[in-house]
Amino acid sequence: QSALTQPRSVSGSPGQSVTISCTGTSSDVGGYNYVSWYQQHPGKAPKLMIYDVSKRPSGVPDRFSGSKSGNTASLTISGLQAEDEADYYCCSYAGSYTDVVFGGGTKLTVL
Amino acid sequence: EVQLVQSGAEVKKPGESLKISCKGSGYSFTSYWIGWVRQMPGKGLEWMGIIYPGDSDTRYSPSFQGQVTISADKSISTAYLQWSSLKASDTAMYYCVRGVAAAGFWFDPWGQGTLVTVSS
Repeated sequence: QSALTQPRSVSGSPGQSVTISCTGTSSDVGGYNYVSWYQQHPGKAPKLMIYDVSKRPSGVPDRFSGSKSGNTASLTISGLQAEDEADYYCCSYAGSYTDVVFGGGTKLTVL
Repeated sequence: EVQLVQSGAEVKKPGESLKISCKGSGYSFTSYWIGWVRQMPGKGLEWMGIIYPGDSDTRYSPSFQGQVTISADKSISTAYLQWSSLKASDTAMYYCVRGVAAAGFWFDPWGQGTLVTVSS
């Protein structure tokens, strides 16, 4: 399984919106509605932000939203805040529990 | 509160063996999968494999099959990741995750991570 493709970095100013893309294939992202997104601050463990493409766990602000079109999933963060600056990883189920694939990660900078 | 608490950092020499642990609490340990994820220094997340403590059903990523062993002791709600002969390239942070795989698929929560350093 190849890693899902994410942009290396994105940036935005406070209050703006940014979207992070996650491109896979019909065998992973396009084949299942099992895309999740994780936020990782430096030196910390990742945290679940979105699951099953667009569902938000309790406690995650509604500024975070997810979607999918074809083989590409997206994470949108609206109303950017300084604490959103972190690395973001997408993840997709790919047909079996042996075939789970992560994206390469995107560094979000809040200007 | 659902928690996964991992064992502490390890410093080992090449060729040595190692077993790190992940203790679950706040939920039914035998009803959820436990997965392991590697993060090499400055790099992204890599899927290693997963175990269902209820029946010890274990699955490995092809990249890690034969390189590590995943196990669990349900009597103490603890999962393990072990190496029989470490290499310098095993130096990384290792996270355990609770896998939710019923009508969906995601990982929550994550353990705090165990840093493994392999150096002569």
